[in-house]
Amino acid sequence: DTAVSQTPKYLVTQMGNDKSIKCEQNLGHDTMYWYKQDSKKFLKIMFSYNNKELIINETVPNRFSPKSPDKAHLNLHINSLELGDSAVYFCASSLMTGYYGYTFGSGTRLTVV
Amino acid sequence: EDKVVQSPLSLVVHEGDTVTLNCSYEVTNFRSLLWYKQEKKAPTFLFMLTSSGIEKKSGRLSSILDKKELFSILNITATQTGDSAVYLCAVGGSQGNLIFGKGTKLSVKP
Repeated sequence: DTAVSQTPKYLVTQMGNDKSIKCEQNLGHDTMYWYKQDSKKFLKIMFSYNNKELIINETVPNRFSPKSPDKAHLNLHINSLELGDSAVYFCASSLMTGYYGYTFGSGTRLTVV
Repeated sequence: EDKVVQSPLSLVVHEGDTVTLNCSYEVTNFRSLLWYKQEKKAPTFLFMLTSSGIEKKSGRLSSILDKKELFSILNITATQTGDSAVYLCAVGGSQGNLIFGKGTKLSVKP
């Protein structure tokens, strides 16, 4: 009965490919996030959505496009993958925007070769 | 630019030692400061601090916030090997996002 689930857990792909990561939460939370954790373990916000509406769009390449079909789902599509995109991507959710009690998913380790 | 700085970046201790991890911040519209523990996978929540001077405690872990000096500490007493992890400090910003520090990697040797 996972609260925030991400798929896939691991993704190995070649440069130039397009890939998607899916995230679903069953907590009834209104806000969802994508964070990127680099090789030095630094976690940085990429996007946040509140009830399907984009709230935060940090300075990320426009090859990254989030999509939220409903408030329980937030997917991340990445076009033309580059070596530097290799990282762990975490999805998280919180009750509402401004409520910091996040629940994190277990992460997707993306390796671009 | 908002920033959260943790020190030390890594620490090696022996079981039974007491450790203090530091977190300082410069964040406009500060709301809360949070501590997370990250082992192999997702960060897990430890504490959320909003008010200065009130210590939060959970077992051997405790934390306190100083909003005047803009820092927080996380103490772990009588460390155990299971405490080995990366400890992340994060500050809540005005847009609802968390701004993370780079973490302190704690290794507890038997």
